[in-house]
Amino acid sequence: AQSVAQPEDQVNVAEGNPLTVKCTYSVSGNPYLFWYVQYPNRGLQFLLKYITGDNLVKGSYGFEAEFNKSQTSFHLKKPSALVSDSALYFCAVRDKGDTDKLIFGTGTRLQVFP
Amino acid sequence: EAQVTQNPRYLITVTGKKLTVTCSQNMNHEYMSWYRQDPGLGLRQIYYSMNVEVTDKGDVPEGYKVSRKEKRNFPLILESPSPNQTSLYFCASSSYSGANVLTFGAGSRLTVL
Repeated sequence: AQSVAQPEDQVNVAEGNPLTVKCTYSVSGNPYLFWYVQYPNRGLQFLLKYITGDNLVKGSYGFEAEFNKSQTSFHLKKPSALVSDSALYFCAVRDKGDTDKLIFGTGTRLQVFP
Repeated sequence: EAQVTQNPRYLITVTGKKLTVTCSQNMNHEYMSWYRQDPGLGLRQIYYSMNVEVTDKGDVPEGYKVSRKEKRNFPLILESPSPNQTSLYFCASSSYSGANVLTFGAGSRLTVL
C-alpha cells in the first residue's frame, strides 16, 4: 500500500536561512512525487513534481526537491527562506502502477521568522 | 481563468439534513476528486472520477455520495450528515491522473451540529 510520511508537524526557520521540509514515501512500484503548498484560506497549489530522470527537481518560488530512491525520500528545500514562504506544505505520492490514487502526507507547517 | 469552483465556501448545518457541495471545473479535465482535510490527518480522498459516469471510492467514502453526469461537474452529496463529517473539503481536477498536476478548489468548510 502507498503511504507518505511527513515527520515534522512544524518547521521553524529564520528568514534568509536554508529550509528543508522532509518527506518519505512507500510504494510498491516506482513513484510520482509531488509537493503542494497551502496558504491560509486557500486551496492547495502545485510546487513541483518528480516523474523520472534527474533527481533534483526545481519548482515554483525557488523551491527544489531531491528524489532519493535508496532512502525513499523527497525532501523539499530552499536555499534562502522568505517570510512569505510561511504556509502548510504537503507531500504526495502516486504509484506509477496504480495511478488512480494520490496519497497525501499529513502536512508540515513552515514558519519563517523575520 | 482556469479554475475549480466549489460552493458553498462555508456551511453550518444540522445532523441529518441532506446537503450538496458543488464542484465545477472549466479546464475540460477528465479526472476529478474530493478530499477532506482534518488536523493531523492531512488530506484524505473521499471519491474520485476518471471520466463521465465513472466514479470510485477513495479512502474515506462512508457517508458520502458523488455523481459525474457531466464532465465539468462533480458534486459531493451528504445524504444524512453527522458531526464527524465536520471538515474542510476540497475538490480537485486534472487531465487523467498519473503525473498530471491537480488543480484545487478554494475549499468548503462544513460544520455539522
